[in-house]
Amino acid sequence: QVQLQESGPGLVKSSETLSLTCGVSGVSITSNWWSWVRQPPGKGLEWIGEIHNSGGTNHNPSLKSRVTISIDKSKNHFSLRLSSLTAADTAVYYCARHMSGFNSFEYWGQGTLVIASS
Amino acid sequence: QSALTQPASVSGSPGQSITISCTGTSSDVGGYNYVSWYQHHPGRPPKVIIFDVTNRPSGVSDRFSGSKSGNTASLTISGLQAEDEADYYCSSYTRITTPLYVFGTGTKVTVL
Repeated sequence: QVQLQESGPGLVKSSETLSLTCGVSGVSITSNWWSWVRQPPGKGLEWIGEIHNSGGTNHNPSLKSRVTISIDKSKNHFSLRLSSLTAADTAVYYCARHMSGFNSFEYWGQGTLVIASS
Repeated sequence: QSALTQPASVSGSPGQSITISCTGTSSDVGGYNYVSWYQHHPGRPPKVIIFDVTNRPSGVSDRFSGSKSGNTASLTISGLQAEDEADYYCSSYTRITTPLYVFGTGTKVTVL
């Protein structure tokens, strides 16, 4: 059974860097693409970026160069770093595994609320 | 790349059918058959119910169906049930523009 679980601080000061990890169980992270998606309070979903086990990444240009996504095959997890946080980055952050061979998000973590505080 | 356009809300009575639209451009929805639909209950992660415009993942009720015409994709829920009350998001993948994945604005489905 594939399971994903986000972990990280729930409160981060504005201008600092958010670091989240997505622990994966039930499947090896050395397959498929893996993404981060967020949802600000009362708003819709926004794709942040993705990573492949080869290390290849793509990210949403709206976040400019603030996003770094990495993968740790030895720990079977992948991570998100988002720098220069502002109040606009307050959101529930989800990690997700892409559906094999398709451009869709099949498995999702439960999500973790991150508040950027001043 | 702007979010795909969905109606803010759609409602229906139990047993009825409703349709949610998702309008994009020829660079995303219209250009590829890579539209997915997600059901999102508050406090739970989104769940994919349709991928590649018309396909249902294993275990998803056949009351959910998807289609596309030009730059607009649609999700139809037949035989509406109380458990269908949730937010629904479309999403499109594109190779032409970035971001690679764009979501819709979301539609709140209310079962009357």
